[in-house]
Amino acid sequence: IAGITQAPTSQILAAGRRMTLRCTQDMRHNAMYWYRQDLGLGLRLIHYSNTAGTTGKGEVPDGYSVSRANTDDFPLTLASAVPSQTSVYFCASSDRVNTEAFFGQGTRLTVV
Amino acid sequence: QKEVEQNSGPLSVPEGAIASLNCTYSDRGSQSFFWYRQYSGKSPELIMSIYSNGDKEDGRFTAQLNKASQYVSLLIRDSQPSDSATYLCAVKGSGGSNYKLTFGKGTLLTVNP
Repeated sequence: IAGITQAPTSQILAAGRRMTLRCTQDMRHNAMYWYRQDLGLGLRLIHYSNTAGTTGKGEVPDGYSVSRANTDDFPLTLASAVPSQTSVYFCASSDRVNTEAFFGQGTRLTVV
Repeated sequence: QKEVEQNSGPLSVPEGAIASLNCTYSDRGSQSFFWYRQYSGKSPELIMSIYSNGDKEDGRFTAQLNKASQYVSLLIRDSQPSDSATYLCAVKGSGGSNYKLTFGKGTLLTVNP
């Protein structure tokens, strides 16, 4: 089934460790997004990419980095995880400017 | 001021009633607006998109947009218990940020049988 795949589904990570959350889409969408979702704070944009080779910062970019080497993949890296990065992370993609975003199934990350 | 604001809720309505969800946004140049539904533990899923001022109806759902007031709303008629979920308003930016998609915090709706 076409769509967005995130990996892993869940992860427990020791503080200070490096972690990359993977996101792959097979819809050839131009734009991709990473959000974190925390109780009471809603979906907050971490980073986004309009097209391969370009990235932009969202509301809460600190402690995270992204790359967009090709259309399909948009990995999110935590260079040195901290407990405040415990959250559910969603990857999403959209085609053109005036179209909706489709979401992956989410990654539940716990930093201990 | 957060870019997208929603009435915080929670909102509780009886089965068969109309549920009204509201959202305001700060980017006056925004042109694309979306309502998503998210069940607990699941990913957000799109239920409505709207781009022009006025009303857009799809079954029991009606989205309303007023760009002058920077206001978008969602009405759910004949609410059903299966409509119980968190509803998220999302707005795409303008100009150089026209792919940037920002969400409100969401409104938790409970429909009581």
